[in-house]
Amino acid sequence: ELKVEQNPLFLSMQEGKNYTIYCNYSTTSDRLYWYRQDPGKSLESLFVLLSNGAVKQEGRLMASLDTKARLSTLHITAAVHDLSATYFCAACNAGGTSYGKLTFGQGTILTVHP
Amino acid sequence: NAGVMQNPRHLVRRRGQEARLRCSPMKGHSHVYWYRQLPEEGLKFMVYLQKENIIDESGMPKERFSAEFPKEGPSILRIQQVVRGDSAAYFCASSLRLGRIRSSYNEQFFGPGTRLTVL
Repeated sequence: ELKVEQNPLFLSMQEGKNYTIYCNYSTTSDRLYWYRQDPGKSLESLFVLLSNGAVKQEGRLMASLDTKARLSTLHITAAVHDLSATYFCAACNAGGTSYGKLTFGQGTILTVHP
Repeated sequence: NAGVMQNPRHLVRRRGQEARLRCSPMKGHSHVYWYRQLPEEGLKFMVYLQKENIIDESGMPKERFSAEFPKEGPSILRIQQVVRGDSAAYFCASSLRLGRIRSSYNEQFFGPGTRLTVL
């Protein structure tokens, strides 16, 4: 059974600082997603990582995937208040009838303060 | 192209009543997934459906919960005899089709969710 773990679960950052959120998954997954969720809102897709070594960047966020280590990271550069939200990673079961089903991490609640 | 639509957005039920949650996938999408998010938790998979078929319901509670995706019309998640523990946000996602490995075709797009409150 695929399990996904994120850390840290809570992250309080100062504006301008850098930090990384880690996402480990337990078994083979052929893709990794990062989502953002604002309070009371739905999930906004940030990145889809499809292959080992994939790196994607959008603004102050950069995501990477190491399939051998079963690890994805979401790096935040020079944080700003607007990045305050909950960030989820999700891995996708590979093969079988569960193909396409997403298994989510617990989420990381990010708060950026002055 | 409208996104995934869910209604109602908010639903209040008393214990013992029935809740019906609807999901209209994006145009052209034939795969629907339902997820539940309990307060302060991540999303948990419930069920995966294609038109007229339940493909994987391994995340559905054994009793009171059912789902369907008819040939015409939205997908329905039905909860009978609701209890307070059913209070949660229920999200629907749709995808275009299953693609080959490394294809992005089965990326899931999420609806706004239905927030169910059981009094």
